[in-house]
Amino acid sequence: DTAVSQTPKYLVTQMGNDKSIKCEQNLGHDTMYWYKQDSKKFLKIMFSYNNKELIINETVPNRFSPKSPDKAHLNLHINSLELGDSAVYFCASSQRGAYEQYFGPGTRLTVT
Amino acid sequence: AQSVAQPEDQVNVAEGNPLTVKCTYSVSGNPYLFWYVQYPNRGLQFLLKYITGDNLVKGSYGFEAEFNKSQTSFHLKKPSALVSDSALYFCAVRDMIKAAGNKLTFGGGTRVLVKP
Repeated sequence: DTAVSQTPKYLVTQMGNDKSIKCEQNLGHDTMYWYKQDSKKFLKIMFSYNNKELIINETVPNRFSPKSPDKAHLNLHINSLELGDSAVYFCASSQRGAYEQYFGPGTRLTVT
Repeated sequence: AQSVAQPEDQVNVAEGNPLTVKCTYSVSGNPYLFWYVQYPNRGLQFLLKYITGDNLVKGSYGFEAEFNKSQTSFHLKKPSALVSDSALYFCAVRDMIKAAGNKLTFGGGTRVLVKP
């Protein structure tokens, strides 16, 4: 059983398109996150949701919109994709009081 | 604000030799500290954490880390490295009190190459 899963694994698209990445966790955690890892492997948090409520919203363009239909899912929708959005996007989850976060396998987004 | 520094981009070590990956941190309060490992084309895997208590923390795959408050460091160690330990290692910190939403700040990563 995969603890934190993401779909798709790879996403190649053209500038200007709109795309979504889905994330699901079956760990029963109450907090989920989206991270962006750039080409230099630098990892930065984008969003955090706790029980479907937005907790962290870093300085991310408005083109990025997270949606949490329930506490097991956190999807990321990106409008008007730009070349600079090319990166690996990781979903993660954690349980309140435990602090460590568990990461999904990542979605490699390539914008051409 | 919280920050993490991993001063070495890459560490090379021979198989069987001790491995150390350095990490220093900065938080305004007390820190929670973590180490993660990333294998090629994979997500990050949690190795170990320091929350409170014993300064020497043991984790997965034979790794351990030592919390040193005076030096604000949390170096990762393994007594005898394996070729399979070759990967990218990330140190992360969160402020015990002030990190809303369990926000982790990651260091830039250290690539470990273990040669046979």
